[in-house]
Amino acid sequence: QSALTQPASVSGSPGQSITISCTGSSTDVGLYNYVSWYQQHPGKAPKLMIYDVSKRPSGLSNRFSGSKSGNTASLTISGLQTEDEAHYYCSSYTTASTRVFGGGTKLTVL
Amino acid sequence: QVQLQESGPGLLEPSQTLSLTCTVSGGSISSGNYYWSWIRQHPEKGLEWIGYIYYSGSPYYNPSLQSRVSISVDTSKNQFSLKVSSVTAADTAVYYCARDGPWGSLHFDYWGQGILVTVTS
Repeated sequence: QSALTQPASVSGSPGQSITISCTGSSTDVGLYNYVSWYQQHPGKAPKLMIYDVSKRPSGLSNRFSGSKSGNTASLTISGLQTEDEAHYYCSSYTTASTRVFGGGTKLTVL
Repeated sequence: QVQLQESGPGLLEPSQTLSLTCTVSGGSISSGNYYWSWIRQHPEKGLEWIGYIYYSGSPYYNPSLQSRVSISVDTSKNQFSLKVSSVTAADTAVYYCARDGPWGSLHFDYWGQGILVTVTS
């Protein structure tokens, strides 16, 4: 199975909005609404940020939102804050009943 | 609050078998429609899904690792385990266990802190 495709890096200034894309295929992202997003700070375990394409875990800031169109899912972070600087990974369920991750995107808050 | 904790040797020699255990607390591994996954992260690299198991079902594995990987569950100890045979330096990574699911909403909601496994001669 091939990894989902994410941009290697994105950047933005505090207060701005950024969007990270996650491109898969008709056998994963395009077929199922089981896309999730994870934030990972250095030396820490990943943290769930978005699940089922656009749902937020309880207590998570509404600055984080998710969407999907065709084979591409997106994570949008609005009102960027310095603590948002981290790596972000998308994940999807696949037709083979497996899971697949994206290669990860490093977000830099300038 | 569900918690997961990985344990096992942190240093292996090439050709040995990697064996890790994930202990689940705050909830039963056999309750609910949850799957239990292993995920690894090579140094300075992205996440790689290894496989998952349901407490009463067959495991599923990443096709790229399937020939060397085995995941099992011990409900009496509320643990699940990972074995990777014939390890090489390419298996050096931080290994995470995570709760996956429930069916109908598949995502990794709880993670262990991760354990670094280094393969070196």
